[in-house]
Amino acid sequence: AQSVTQLGSHVSVSEGALVLLRCNYSSSVPPYLFWYVQYPNQGLQLLLKYTSAATLVKGINGFEAEFKKSETSFHLTKPSAHMSDAAEYFCAVSDNAGNNRKLIWGLGTSLAVNP
Amino acid sequence: DTGVSQNPRHKITKRGQNVTFRCDPISEHNRLYWYRQTLGQGPEFLTYFQNEAQLEKSRLLSDRFSAERPKGSFSTLEIQRTEQGDSAMYLCASRAPRGRDTGELFFGEGSRLTVL
Repeated sequence: AQSVTQLGSHVSVSEGALVLLRCNYSSSVPPYLFWYVQYPNQGLQLLLKYTSAATLVKGINGFEAEFKKSETSFHLTKPSAHMSDAAEYFCAVSDNAGNNRKLIWGLGTSLAVNP
Repeated sequence: DTGVSQNPRHKITKRGQNVTFRCDPISEHNRLYWYRQTLGQGPEFLTYFQNEAQLEKSRLLSDRFSAERPKGSFSTLEIQRTEQGDSAMYLCASRAPRGRDTGELFFGEGSRLTVL
């Protein structure tokens, strides 16, 4: 069975500082991996996804993530945090790389950006 | 393309009442999902439709919950005899058909249910 672990339920950074949100996965098949962002009282928006192409994936709003098979990780980074990045971030893995009918989600990491 | 639309956005009801949520997916998307999200948690899968067929249901979907997608377009999620534990955000997502699928789920803004 697939699973996702997000280390750190709350992360706080200063504006302009590096953002690093950690995600480790467990999967018996090559996974598809996703990062979604959720702003208060809104739905989830895709930031980026890994689908077995390039291991370094670039997403929207300056975010990127690197797929490391040896570490079973897919950490999300952004070189310089902006106040507007404050939100909840979710890592997810597909349950079937060929026909993913649903996503298995981490518990989320709440990012606070301090001025 | 107006995105995935859900209504109502907020619903407050008394325990024991029935509630129904509606989801209108992106028009050409034939796959539709319902998730439930409680505070501090990630979304939990409830059910999945491909066109009008309900192909998978989670064990979370008790017999008080029923979902339909009668014409393969919009979907409804009904909760009968609501309980306080049903209070959550109910999220709908749609996905493009094969050939145009990027693997991305497109989410609506959710329907928040509060059961008093």
